[in-house]
Amino acid sequence: GQSLEQPSEVTAVEGAIVQINCTYQTSGFYGLSWYQQHDGGAPTFLSYNGLDGLEETGRFSSFLSRSDSYGYLLLQELQMKDSASYFCVAYTGTASKLTFGTGTRLQVTL
Amino acid sequence: DVKVTQSSRYLVKRTGEKVFLECVQDMDHENMFWYRQDPGLGLRLIYFSYDVKMKEKGDIPEGYSVSREKKERFSLILESASTNQTSMYLCASIRDNQNTEAFFGQGTRLTVV
Repeated sequence: GQSLEQPSEVTAVEGAIVQINCTYQTSGFYGLSWYQQHDGGAPTFLSYNGLDGLEETGRFSSFLSRSDSYGYLLLQELQMKDSASYFCVAYTGTASKLTFGTGTRLQVTL
Repeated sequence: DVKVTQSSRYLVKRTGEKVFLECVQDMDHENMFWYRQDPGLGLRLIYFSYDVKMKEKGDIPEGYSVSREKKERFSLILESASTNQTSMYLCASIRDNQNTEAFFGQGTRLTVV
């Protein structure tokens, strides 16, 4: 089956940098995304990696290594509003099947 | 802006009832998805559809069925609701297989009593 593993919780201080890791075991893999979800809200798209390497979008960067079945989300200059759950998502198959990881709850403190 | 609308925000149903959860998107997206979200388990894929009348099972399809008679609407059906189907249900859509950004509805919190 498909599985994506993430740490369940991460705590960091405002202004710091935090990395959320994701390891995956999937068949038919062709890309990895990251989504953010605030409590009570819907998941929203942050980034997508279709190729190995680093993608940067403002304070957020995402990395993929296909050979290691591994990716991470890097959040810089953390703000209180970044407190949320973060999900890595594998894109597989010909019909864009999206499989979510278990999610990492990020708590940003003062 | 893409809008994905789920018909109910909160729903309470009795065990054994047939339950319909409706999802409508207004941007002509081809692919649509139904997930359920439970604490500690993330979002688990129930069913998805890549075209009208086409559907594929996700990871946890048991006890559910879907219907996609029109491109903009994707319905999730609980044939006989059970208490273990109490959950948050989220609908999502993506434009097509060449796009990567999924848009989610606000979710339906279903309680089966």
